[in-house]
Amino acid sequence: DTAVSQTPKYLVTQMGNDKSIKCEQNLGHDTMYWYKQDSKKFLKIMFSYNNKELIINETVPNRFSPKSPDKAHLNLHINSLELGDSAVYFCASSPDRKEETQYFGPGTRLLVL
Amino acid sequence: AQSVTQLGSHVSVSEGALVLLRCNYSSSVPPYLFWYVQYPNQGLQLLLKYTSAATLVKGINGFEAEFKKSETSFHLTKPSAHMSDAAEYFCAVSDGDYKLSFGAGTTVTVRA
Repeated sequence: DTAVSQTPKYLVTQMGNDKSIKCEQNLGHDTMYWYKQDSKKFLKIMFSYNNKELIINETVPNRFSPKSPDKAHLNLHINSLELGDSAVYFCASSPDRKEETQYFGPGTRLLVL
Repeated sequence: AQSVTQLGSHVSVSEGALVLLRCNYSSSVPPYLFWYVQYPNQGLQLLLKYTSAATLVKGINGFEAEFKKSETSFHLTKPSAHMSDAAEYFCAVSDGDYKLSFGAGTTVTVRA
């Protein structure tokens, strides 16, 4: 009964490829997020959706496109992968109230060769 | 805009010793403050959070943190370190706009 799950856990691919990462939460939360953790472990928010509506879109290359088919799912599609996209990508969710805790998934480790 | 500074990227303590991790924040509004822990190859887990109810906040695994507005600090402590406390610790701040801003993290190692 994992609260926030991500697939795949590991992703190794070549430069120029297109890949997707999926995220699902079974907590009934209204808000979901994508974070990027770089090689120095620095975490930065990329996107956030609230009830399928995009509410946060940080300065992220437009090669990254989030999609939320319903409020329990938030997927991340990356086009034309670059070496610098190698990182750990975390999905998170929270209830609608803004001060509430964000619950994180286990992460997807992306390596672009 | 809010930001977080974690003093010390690496802290090494002996088992049984005090753990002290420092966090200072800046925020233009009353902040919500969090400490998360990340064990190797895992996601982030909430240790504790401050949401203005009480300045001393108790969390899981024996950790606690004190909010000091005058010092803009939210330092994390644990009286007695255990080997299982070895992990990466992140302080984070939110000003209620859904966006968590994280510090750079502090790696804790525990010596036997």
